[in-house]
Amino acid sequence: DQQVKQNSPSLSVQEGRISILNCDYTNSMFDYFLWYKKYPAEGPTFLISISSIKDKNEDGRFTVFLNKSAKHLSLHIVPSQPGDSAVYFCAASPSGGYQKVTFGTGTKLQVIP
Amino acid sequence: KAGVTQTPRYLIKTRGQQVTLSCSPISGHRSVSWYQQTPGQGLQFLFEYFSETQRNKGNFPGRFSGRQFSNSRSEMNVSTLELGDSALYLCASGTGSTEAFFGQGTRLTVV
Repeated sequence: DQQVKQNSPSLSVQEGRISILNCDYTNSMFDYFLWYKKYPAEGPTFLISISSIKDKNEDGRFTVFLNKSAKHLSLHIVPSQPGDSAVYFCAASPSGGYQKVTFGTGTKLQVIP
Repeated sequence: KAGVTQTPRYLIKTRGQQVTLSCSPISGHRSVSWYQQTPGQGLQFLFEYFSETQRNKGNFPGRFSGRQFSNSRSEMNVSTLELGDSALYLCASGTGSTEAFFGQGTRLTVV
């Protein structure tokens, strides 16, 4: 039972354009959502997070949007850069918990110069 | 500040053997979580330790176990290895109230 779903295994975007990575979840107990970026042969790196009390969080080129009623979140990267090419994992954790994090299967983003 | 250190980086074991993986968290972090990453499955949560106590556990068989020491270092043990246990095992540390920071992982191959 995949509680966090990333339905697009891969995405290709031209440099300078917007990258939109999507994520859906099924567990209504999830209260905190995170995005991690992973390069080959490295562990995931925390990118940005959002609490369920917000619908948007922005950090530089990265913005995460949360639609609780649709149980959907998305990560926008503007403008996309070749160095952004990596696998992006969406993750969620239950109320008050930052520990038992459930990850999606990842979306491989390729930014084409 | 040193990051999360996992040893060894690579390991090859035979079916039926057991293996122990080690994780040294970031200094000051008391929470250590373990994840298994396999192709197509993403990162699956194994368990989390906080101050030497297992606080959360994922849906893995009892062959997977762990422990945490008083210095917050953690070990994960897998007994009676199966081919399907071949994966990247990731350790993450945190304060318990913020996002976790991952190590580079241990690549386990079972032959």
